[in-house]
Amino acid sequence: GDSVTQMEGPVTLSEEAFLTINCTYTATGYPSLFWYVQYPGEGLQLLLKATKADDKGSNKGFEATYRKETTSFHLEKGSVQVSDSAVYFCALVASSGGSYIPTFGRGTSLIVHP
Amino acid sequence: DVKVTQSSRYLVKRTGEKVFLECVQDMDHENMFWYRQDPGLGLRLIYFSYDVKMKEKGDIPEGYSVSREKKERFSLILESASTNQTSMYLCASSFRGALFFGEGSRLTVL
Repeated sequence: GDSVTQMEGPVTLSEEAFLTINCTYTATGYPSLFWYVQYPGEGLQLLLKATKADDKGSNKGFEATYRKETTSFHLEKGSVQVSDSAVYFCALVASSGGSYIPTFGRGTSLIVHP
Repeated sequence: DVKVTQSSRYLVKRTGEKVFLECVQDMDHENMFWYRQDPGLGLRLIYFSYDVKMKEKGDIPEGYSVSREKKERFSLILESASTNQTSMYLCASSFRGALFFGEGSRLTVL
């Protein structure tokens, strides 16, 4: 079946450091890929998405490129802030009869120190 | 903006009580989901619904049921709450695969 693997956290960085959170996937067909962010005590929010190979999703300084050849969708940000501290989830949706059931990774906690 | 509203942010219930968690979305989405989130276990799908009165079991449906009488409302029901159902419950609606979550309901069963 479909699966998403994320790097284990926590990832601890100093403010203004470069961020990479790795995400790889296995899926049949051509899934859409997503990153979600969860701030403490809240639900998940859609951060960015990409629907086909070589698409780049971007939002709030975060970017991720859909790499079909490496089945990856790594999340990057050039300069993190303390306010980016949160849990980040990678997910895929492989349309199966139109039901759009998502598959999530386990989440990666990011801690940014001043 | 899409808005998904969960009726209660925090609930405390006793073992054996019947618990209702309500979720309402305002964007006419057909698909709605209930997840529970526990430390170290990530998100686990309980039930989902792709249309009014339609429901499908997710990965962990035992001990739960759902109701979708209107398109905008998807309710999760714990018929007889148990302590192992203490968790964060997240509702979501989706459009073209992208999920829109509520703020979550943290349930404690004593």
